[in-house]
Amino acid sequence: NAGVTQTPKFRILKIGQSMTLQCTQDMNHNYMYWYRQDPGMGLKLIYYSVGAGITDKGEVPNGYNVSRSTTEDFPLRLELAAPSQTSVYFCASRPFQGNTEAFFGQGTRLTVV
Amino acid sequence: AQSVTQPDIHITVSEGASLELRCNYSYGATPYLFWYVQSPGQGLQLLLKYFSGDTLVQGIKGFEAEFKRSQSSFNLRKPSVHWSDAAEYFCAVALNTGGFKTIFGAGTRLFVKA
Repeated sequence: NAGVTQTPKFRILKIGQSMTLQCTQDMNHNYMYWYRQDPGMGLKLIYYSVGAGITDKGEVPNGYNVSRSTTEDFPLRLELAAPSQTSVYFCASRPFQGNTEAFFGQGTRLTVV
Repeated sequence: AQSVTQPDIHITVSEGASLELRCNYSYGATPYLFWYVQSPGQGLQLLLKYFSGDTLVQGIKGFEAEFKRSQSSFNLRKPSVHWSDAAEYFCAVALNTGGFKTIFGAGTRLFVKA
């Protein structure tokens, strides 16, 4: 059982470039989330989704876009990369019901230069 | 808006000493509560969680936490710290509404001295 898989693990972007961070889960979870973690800080919620076709903004959505065309996938898009988006990005998922925590991927370390 | 406060940015304890990491939350309803640990360059590992019932919960690696509703706190404890416990610790809360979003504190860095 792979759980939550993020690709790539590392990426260096130039200012103004675009990229998509991939996130896939194989647990049939309804809820999925994207977080960013800046050095020495906690995780901040960027976007989340409660099911295929439904997304909503979190605390820090500016500069990002998401889509949820399937239950399994929740890609995060950076259209015009800026140095302020240098961070570690975590994807997570959880089921709709049940007393359980969110399950996290291993993260994508992104540097914008 | 909901928030999580970890008042201590970093804490240093001697190996074998006891540990308490503080966490306070601001929520209008009964939250779900979590403690995660993160080693440098690594992902998040769940230490323990509280949803309901007994307010003292046991987790992995010998950690425990106590939920105190009157103080809006969920402090993490360990009776005897090991050098391998050095890491960043995050308290988090979630509400079972609006997508079950989990909100994280800023973290407490634990240093363990020999």
